[in-house]
Amino acid sequence: KNEVEQSPQNLTAQEGEFITINCSYSVGISALHWLQQHPGGGIVSLFMLSSGKKKHGRLIATINIQEKHSSLHITASHPRDSAVYICASFHTGGGADGLTFGKGTHLIIQP
Amino acid sequence: NAGVTQTPKFQVLKTGQSMTLQCAQDMNHEYMSWYRQDPGMGLRLIHYSVGAGITDQGEVPNGYNVSRSTTEDFPLRLLSAAPSQTSVYFCASRAGGLADTQYFGPGTRLTVL
Repeated sequence: KNEVEQSPQNLTAQEGEFITINCSYSVGISALHWLQQHPGGGIVSLFMLSSGKKKHGRLIATINIQEKHSSLHITASHPRDSAVYICASFHTGGGADGLTFGKGTHLIIQP
Repeated sequence: NAGVTQTPKFQVLKTGQSMTLQCAQDMNHEYMSWYRQDPGMGLRLIHYSVGAGITDQGEVPNGYNVSRSTTEDFPLRLLSAAPSQTSVYFCASRAGGLADTQYFGPGTRLTVL
């Protein structure tokens, strides 16, 4: 059974800081998703990646398949980045629909 | 496109009452899922569907029913609400590829007294 662990669980930082959120999983996967959940509750997909690195604006996601590890980085963090960040791994044996979710990292960026 | 829509946004029930949470998507996605989100826990799969007429159980299906009569709609029925079903419920859809992007609805916050 795949398990997805995120760290840290909570992170408070000052505006402008470089942020790293980590995600590790226990079995080989087909893809890894990073999701963002704002205080209002809605969940949006940020990235889906199966190898290497993806960048969108100030967000960068990387994955190391051999080490079963992914990171989400935020450069020049801003208070509007405050949210819960969730990683979810996908593999054909994982969960009935293939997805296993981490518990999330609660990020607060202070001005 | 409206994406994935859910109604209602908030609901309070008494123990034993039944209700249906509505979910619809206008992206012609084959895969639809229902999750519940509880404090300190990751999203947990309740039921899912891989296409019209096909549904299956997820991790926590007890106390819930689903049906998928059309590609667009995937309602979740609570048969006899219990306080343990107090949670935030999310509907999601994806095109159907093994690792396609998931699109989530805005969520329904349900309280069972």
